[in-house]
Amino acid sequence: EAGVAQSPRYKIIEKRQSVAFWCNPISGHATLYWYQQILGQGPKLLIQFQNNGVVDDSQLPKDRFSAERLKGVDSTLKIQPAKLEDSAVYLCASSLALSYNEQFFGPGTRLTVL
Amino acid sequence: LAKTTQPISMDSYEGQEVNITCSHNNIATNDYITWYQQFPSQGPRFIIQGYKTKVTNEVASLFIPADRKSSTLSLPRVSLSDTAVYYCLVGEAGGFKTIFGAGTRLFVKA
Repeated sequence: EAGVAQSPRYKIIEKRQSVAFWCNPISGHATLYWYQQILGQGPKLLIQFQNNGVVDDSQLPKDRFSAERLKGVDSTLKIQPAKLEDSAVYLCASSLALSYNEQFFGPGTRLTVL
Repeated sequence: LAKTTQPISMDSYEGQEVNITCSHNNIATNDYITWYQQFPSQGPRFIIQGYKTKVTNEVASLFIPADRKSSTLSLPRVSLSDTAVYYCLVGEAGGFKTIFGAGTRLFVKA
């Protein structure tokens, strides 16, 4: 079975620029997560979707970050404008349902903000 | 949400059994305990999940005492490829948040 796909794998931008990340979850997975992982730290949940609805976005910096999951499948995470401290790996994960069970993670997108 | 505490790092040798303990003193009645493994440049990978006593799968065992205030991930006969960061998570089934701590960096030496 295909895993969680993310693109791009790497992105380098200058501060104040915009960037978008794409995630395609495992087929049939209703729940989708976006995490931010700063070097040396554990992943931090940014936003969680159940189908195309937001379940939790309490840790999403909404002044600059946005995410959507139109049609309840693919999702995009956008940063506009980027700051130096946004340099991190952005991980997408999916799970079958909204329950505390196994999450399947993609390879992540490494963002460097100069 | 219950906070977890793990050792920052551990060293081991190939062939040894490794036990990583996680403290979660304020675990709630409905909380489950889940462990993930993460290799460099990869996303975390689910290892095992349990509620109480002992759970075993083909990769690891999870020991949870009766008070559930801690748990121990046991990796039998580790190899160099088990060098990774291991995260302990505590949360409610059906809960809406996942909180990863800093994890335990396991380094397996030849």
